[in-house]
Amino acid sequence: DGGITQSPKYLFRKEGQNVTLSCEQNLNHDAMYWYRQDPGQGLRLIYYSQIVNDFQKGDIAEGYSVSREKKESFPLTVTSAQKNPTAFYLCASSIRGGTGELFFGEGSRLTVL
Amino acid sequence: AQSVSQHNHHVILSEAASLELGCNYSYGGTVNLFWYVQYPGQHLQLLLKYFSGDPLVKGIKGFEAEFIKSKFSFNLRKPSVQWSDTAEYFCAVNAYGGATNKLIFGTGTLLAVQP
Repeated sequence: DGGITQSPKYLFRKEGQNVTLSCEQNLNHDAMYWYRQDPGQGLRLIYYSQIVNDFQKGDIAEGYSVSREKKESFPLTVTSAQKNPTAFYLCASSIRGGTGELFFGEGSRLTVL
Repeated sequence: AQSVSQHNHHVILSEAASLELGCNYSYGGTVNLFWYVQYPGQHLQLLLKYFSGDPLVKGIKGFEAEFIKSKFSFNLRKPSVQWSDTAEYFCAVNAYGGATNKLIFGTGTLLAVQP
């Protein structure tokens, strides 16, 4: 089945540690996205990538980093510089140049202790 | 900057009641509009979408939405809700013609349907 796989589903880390969240898709989509979901704030865009080896900052990129070395993969690193990293992180993909419809993974819940 | 407003943050209904969730956006150009739903413990999935043509669009599970350009609105409706409609609903807008496909999401509406 085609889809988006995020791992891990749950993650606990201590303050000051970097954390990398994995996102893999087999939909053959060019574009991939990372959103952060917080209660009462909806989804906010962290980073997005339209093609391999290229990515752009979203609205809340500070404290995060990404890479896009392969079409299928778009990992997100939550660095120690992120002031409030505890959140639910969603990865999505879409057809490049399409209508904007996104397909989402099941999410990763990060808790920083 | 483009933005999306969902005015109802929490809605509680009894089964068989009618539902209308408000969504307004701020962008003067052509838009593509979406409603996504997130059932408890599940991933976000597309409920319905509007690109062009008939402003009344129908989605899955009996949902529909009406695009009113003059009001910059895309409200979601369902004539008779069921307990299984309990979920969080997100309105989203893509400003068509932009360099990238960035969806701007509203803050979400949490719907609880009481049996």
